[in-house]
Amino acid sequence: GENVEQHPSTLSVQEGDSAVIKCTYSDSASNYFPWYKQELGKRPQLIIDIRSNVGEKKDQRIAVTLNKTAKHFSLHITETQPEDSAVYFCARVGSTLGRLYFGRGTQLTVWP
Amino acid sequence: DAGVIQSPRHEVTEMGQEVTLRCKPISGHNSLFWYRQTMMRGLELLIYFNNNVPIDDSGMPEDRFSAKMPNASFSTLKIQPSEPRDSAVYFCASRHSGGNTDTQYFGPGTRLTVL
Repeated sequence: GENVEQHPSTLSVQEGDSAVIKCTYSDSASNYFPWYKQELGKRPQLIIDIRSNVGEKKDQRIAVTLNKTAKHFSLHITETQPEDSAVYFCARVGSTLGRLYFGRGTQLTVWP
Repeated sequence: DAGVIQSPRHEVTEMGQEVTLRCKPISGHNSLFWYRQTMMRGLELLIYFNNNVPIDDSGMPEDRFSAKMPNASFSTLKIQPSEPRDSAVYFCASRHSGGNTDTQYFGPGTRLTVL
C-alpha cells in the first residue's frame, strides 16, 4: 500500500551510543527517501535523504542505507548526543508530483 | 532567504467559529502541501497543490475543511465551523517540483486550539 512502516516508535540510548531506525514500504515506484527531524514544538526539518539509485549516503554522524530489493531503508546515528533527542520521521516519495508518505515517527531520547 | 511563512502561529477559538490559516510558500516553489499533526494520528497530508491547482484533497477530513491557492505565493486553509477535534498543529510545506530535488520545506506551523 501507500504507508511507510517505521520502527521502533521509541528509542532510548546512552550518549555516545549508536541509534538505528528502520522503515519499510511496499510501493516499488518509490524513488526518493527523506528523513526529517522534529524537535519539540518545532517544524520537521530534513536531515538527510537518499535516492533509489544509491545504496548508502553519509553526512558526518548520520547515514542512511537503502535496500530497494527488500524495500527498506534505515537511519543510523553514531556517537549520539543529547541534542539528537527528537522525533525522527522517515518518508518516501511516490511517482505523483512529489507527495510524501510519512512513517509514524520515532521518539529518540539520548541520555547524558 | 525567507522560508515558508505561516500565520497565525497560535489560534484559540471557540467551537463553531470559522478559522482561517495562511501560508506563503518559498518563492519559486510550485508545489504546496497542508499537513495536520496530532499525537493520535501523526502527520497527515490534507491537500496539496501543484502550480496552484489542487491535486489531491482526499486527506481533507470533511466538508468543513476547504483550501485555496489563488496565486503562487499564497494559500489558505479554512475550517468552518470548527470543532474541538480539529485542535492540532497545521503545517504548510512547499517544494520545487521538476528540479533535481524533492525536498519539502515546512513552515513553523499554526497551533490551533478549539474550545
